[in-house]
Amino acid sequence: KNQVEQSPQSLIILEGKNCTLQCNYTVSPFSNLRWYKQDTGRGPVSLTIMTFSENTKSNGRYTATLDADTKQSSLHITASQLSDSASYICVVSFNAGNNRKLIWGLGTSLAVNP
Amino acid sequence: GAVVSQHPSWVICKSGTSVKIECRSLDFQATTMFWYRQFPKQSLMLMATSNEGSKATYEQGVEKDKFLINHASLTLSTLTVTSAHPEDSSFYICSAPGQPPLNLAKNIQYFGAGTRLSVL
Repeated sequence: KNQVEQSPQSLIILEGKNCTLQCNYTVSPFSNLRWYKQDTGRGPVSLTIMTFSENTKSNGRYTATLDADTKQSSLHITASQLSDSASYICVVSFNAGNNRKLIWGLGTSLAVNP
Repeated sequence: GAVVSQHPSWVICKSGTSVKIECRSLDFQATTMFWYRQFPKQSLMLMATSNEGSKATYEQGVEKDKFLINHASLTLSTLTVTSAHPEDSSFYICSAPGQPPLNLAKNIQYFGAGTRLSVL
């Protein structure tokens, strides 16, 4: 069964600290993995997208890693800011016949406190 | 960058009425758009894929007669929730994949800001 599991479910950190969010998946055949940031009541915003051959990709203070062998990904946030408070969602894309499907994780709710 | 505009952002309606939600790609053409629904503290759930000039493709369990989708042009898709009931109250989000020739990353989904529907 194609699944995407994220941990932790929620996380509270102090401003300026670093944190790492985890994403494990059992999706096949794998196409790509994306991390989105979703502010409360808003649509998701793409942070990174990684294909099978990519191990690391950065976007400012966000760094995503992908281990396609163990089917694990992480999103590392450096020097957190109050505006980083949001839900971070891991999405894995796979090919289903002629279509490409997305499997969404439930997200990690991050709260950055002053 | 690419912008997907969704309107309205929030709507309150009486039970039994119909509500139309618009999704527009503002600076690129979208032959395909996706409609999602998100309940509180849950992940986005794909409802249907909207295809310009043809019928939408609905995910299993989504009633096509209740959630009418029209993709009349390359920049506009609409979702109509017919005879809305309180259980239809949710956050509805549309997205469109980036397409050339605007050098948009083809794999990137651009999301609207969402529409919060409250059915009384």
